Amino acid sequence: DTEVTQTPKHLVMGMTNKKSLKCEQHMGHRAMYWYKQKAKKPPELMFVYSYEKLSINESVPSRFSPECPNSSLLNLHLHALQPEDSALYLCASSQGGRKSYEQYFGPGTRLTVT
Amino acid sequence: AQKVTQAQTEISVVEKEDVTLDCVYETRDTTYYLFWYKQPPSGELVFLIRRNSFDEQNEISGRYSWNFQKSTSSFNFTITASQVVDSAVYFCALSEALGSFGNEKLTFGTGTRLTIIP
Repeated sequence: DTEVTQTPKHLVMGMTNKKSLKCEQHMGHRAMYWYKQKAKKPPELMFVYSYEKLSINESVPSRFSPECPNSSLLNLHLHALQPEDSALYLCASSQGGRKSYEQYFGPGTRLTVT
Repeated sequence: AQKVTQAQTEISVVEKEDVTLDCVYETRDTTYYLFWYKQPPSGELVFLIRRNSFDEQNEISGRYSWNFQKSTSSFNFTITASQVVDSAVYFCALSEALGSFGNEKLTFGTGTRLTIIP
């Protein structure tokens, strides 16, 4: 099973709202990722969790707050977003470790900020 | 800094034709990994292949084949006898190891939008 699930599929939020995106994998992977993808662009890395610890933050604004409650779950907390944050947010996981293993992606959450 | 170039922005071919998607990369690392992903209109990126820099053997998987040439820093992808279901955006990517365990960053190309015309 190479499935990564993400909820919700679609989210519309105002600039003053607080919401969370959720991601789950049951492949025993120890690395999990958040990406942001704008239309007609490649995915851009936001955060990497390795063995449940935040290991990479690609200079993401603080209105995005990641959380890894356990090895299977990854959340992205959203607060005071801007309209330009509207995008497809993709979660991925990989085996982790010193080799570069393939990342498996979820279907994404399409976020619209009004 | 690493870089992946997919010069073909959009390609359209008639069903059953063969099509090759080009990927050229730049890296200073001697050990690196290359990937191809497919992104259909639904949005999910689907992993297709992973290749390390020491393995230059070409690979075939059904109608898909990959040609890795280190001498030209290219990792091209060919679809034989294309089908409408092959219509998608295809991304080539290069991995970069950052720091310690599990810290991987994929550098993606800009993608090639492939349309198969029935």
